[in-house]
Amino acid sequence: NAGVTQTPKFQVLKTGQSMTLQCAQDMNHNSMYWYRQDPGMGLRLIYYSASEGTTDKGEVPNGYNVSRLNKREFSLRLESAAPSQTSVYFCASQRGGLARETQYFGPGTRLLVL
Amino acid sequence: QKEVEQDPGPLSVPEGAIVSLNCTYSNSAFQYFMWYRQYSRKGPELLMYTYSSGNKEDGRFTAQVDKSSKYISLFIRDSQPSDSATYLCAMSVTGGYNKLIFGAGTRLAVHP
Repeated sequence: NAGVTQTPKFQVLKTGQSMTLQCAQDMNHNSMYWYRQDPGMGLRLIYYSASEGTTDKGEVPNGYNVSRLNKREFSLRLESAAPSQTSVYFCASQRGGLARETQYFGPGTRLLVL
Repeated sequence: QKEVEQDPGPLSVPEGAIVSLNCTYSNSAFQYFMWYRQYSRKGPELLMYTYSSGNKEDGRFTAQVDKSSKYISLFIRDSQPSDSATYLCAMSVTGGYNKLIFGAGTRLAVHP
């Protein structure tokens, strides 16, 4: 099993450019999440999908859109990148949606916006 | 003021030491408390989960919650170089993953 995979691993964008971060899981999980991690800030939830066909905003959704393409895939789109979106982005999946359940993280995408 | 405060470290200890990692929080409604471990350039992984107050032990790891002081701790006994990582606390009011608040993380280095 590959678990949670993310592409690309690293990306450099110029201000105003757009890009899509891809995430896929092979564990048949219902819930999927996108986080960003910044120095001194911990992990912050951007968007989540409790099940196929549903998405909802997290703590810091501004400047992002998501698509739950099917049960396996959950993509994050930056329509017009800004330097403030320089961060490490993690996708995660989970069987259900409860905190006591293990959440499996991907290896992350490092994004630099110039 | 952040809802969850965590000293970023780094914390450097010799192999075999007892390590104490801590978080304080301001929201008295938090009921669910977690510790995550994150190795360098990897995603976090759930280490310990505790509901409400009390202690929980798992091998060399013990999680403590003191709700009266709004303070949680993770103790690592007989620390090993493989424990070198960043440890993040997280907490939630509802127990749902969409409502987790993370601390900034404490970087731990265990040297042989």
